[in-house]
Amino acid sequence: KAGVTQTPRYLIKTRGQQVTLSCSPISGHRSVSWYQQTPGQGLQFLFEYFSETQRNKGNFPGRFSGRQFSNSRSEMNVSTLELGDSALYLCASSLAGRGTGETQYFGPGTRLLVL
Amino acid sequence: GENVEQHPSTLSVQEGDSAVIKCTYSDSASNYFPWYKQELGKRPQLIIDIRSNVGEKKDQRIAVTLNKTAKHFSLHITETQPEDSAVYFCAARFNQAGTALIFGKGTTLSVSS
Repeated sequence: KAGVTQTPRYLIKTRGQQVTLSCSPISGHRSVSWYQQTPGQGLQFLFEYFSETQRNKGNFPGRFSGRQFSNSRSEMNVSTLELGDSALYLCASSLAGRGTGETQYFGPGTRLLVL
Repeated sequence: GENVEQHPSTLSVQEGDSAVIKCTYSDSASNYFPWYKQELGKRPQLIIDIRSNVGEKKDQRIAVTLNKTAKHFSLHITETQPEDSAVYFCAARFNQAGTALIFGKGTTLSVSS
C-alpha cells in the first residue's frame, strides 16, 4: 500500500496570507490527524478528523482549521499567517479502530516558511 | 487533557551501551503508549508501542516498560549502534475518543563509535 502523502512539500508565504495543505491517508484509513512540529515546541496536536467530522481539537487558535472529504483525504488551512506559523506540518492516518487500528502513520510533512 | 513529559532532552552514549528514555503521563485513563523515532529530515516512524494491559514489551534490542500506578513508561535500547542516533518521541492518546496523540518534547540520542 502507498504511504501517507502530503502536498505541497515546501511552501513560502508572507505574513497575512492564507495557506491550504493537503494530506492523503493510507488506503482504508479513516482517521487523519494533523500536527505542527517546531524545534522549540516539538510535535503539537492540531486536530483529528474521522468520517468527515472533527473528532478532537488541540489548543490552537481559530486561524487553524481543517476538513475531511468523503474519500478520507484531509486539508488544513491557516489564515492570516504569522511568522510563528513557520513549521513542519505533519499529518498522520490510522484505521481509527480499537486495538491495532490506533497506530498512526505519518506523512513526510509540508514545510511552511512565513516571511 | 493529557500531558506527556519526557526526559532527558539529550542523551549521548558510546556504541554498545544501553540508552533509557523516560516519560510520564497525566491521564490515568490512557491505555496506549507508542514510541516514534525521527531521523533528520524524515518523518516519525513507530518503533514500538505498549498497551495498558501489558507491563513490558520487547522487539530485538528495543523494549518498553509501563508502570500504570506511577503513570510512567520507558524506552530501553540495548547494544546501541550509530544508526540508533535520532530523535525519539514518546506519546499517549489525546483522549479515548480518537487516535490522536500527545507527544513528549523528544530526546535527541547520539551514539558515538
